[in-house]
Amino acid sequence: GAVVSQHPSRVICKSGTSVKIECRSLDFQATTMFWYRQFPKQSLMLMATSNEGSKATYEQGVEKDKFLINHASLTLSTLTVTSAHPEDSSFYICSARDGGRNNQPQHFGDGTRLSIL
Amino acid sequence: GDSVTQMEGPVTLSEEAFLTINCTYTATGYPSLFWYVQYPGEGLQLLLKATKADDKGSNKGFEATYRKETTSFHLEKGSVQVSDSAVYFCALRGNEKLTFGTGTRLTIIP
Repeated sequence: GAVVSQHPSRVICKSGTSVKIECRSLDFQATTMFWYRQFPKQSLMLMATSNEGSKATYEQGVEKDKFLINHASLTLSTLTVTSAHPEDSSFYICSARDGGRNNQPQHFGDGTRLSIL
Repeated sequence: GDSVTQMEGPVTLSEEAFLTINCTYTATGYPSLFWYVQYPGEGLQLLLKATKADDKGSNKGFEATYRKETTSFHLEKGSVQVSDSAVYFCALRGNEKLTFGTGTRLTIIP
């Protein structure tokens, strides 16, 4: 089945550091990828929708300058948390949609646990 | 806007017990409905789905039926196993975005 690889799986770093998370679709082309944030014992909150070759669409309340998203190819999207602070600590999950139509399934990565000291 | 309400957990059951996790939704139009499962430290895996009213999704012994009249998509399994311990998310997709419920943590005791 379709596989989405997310890297790294865990990051621990100091406050003020910028952290880049990669999301790759390994065996299909993903014109659209999604980035979610999950707080402990809570649901997934959509942060932004990333479309290949264009700017990401951010959800209300998500800071564009804080969470930089780049979707430069059909198999790779990156999320950069700039100047991360302890409140940015969370579990970040990406998903990729297999194909261009809205009814195509989304496949999820295994997530990245970000801990800012 | 779209929303999903699911049964709050945690839910603890003995092995071989019957499982029901309730899920209801609010949406415009005709959404697709999903159940996802998340094992500790991992991302989400699609468990089952239904795309139209009266469809039944099934996988690994789990079932859920798309009930338009009650706007529900309850998850059921006749005999749970320890390996079913995980967090289960109900979700709907309207136009493009997935909207998730808050998740239900399920623990199965041997």
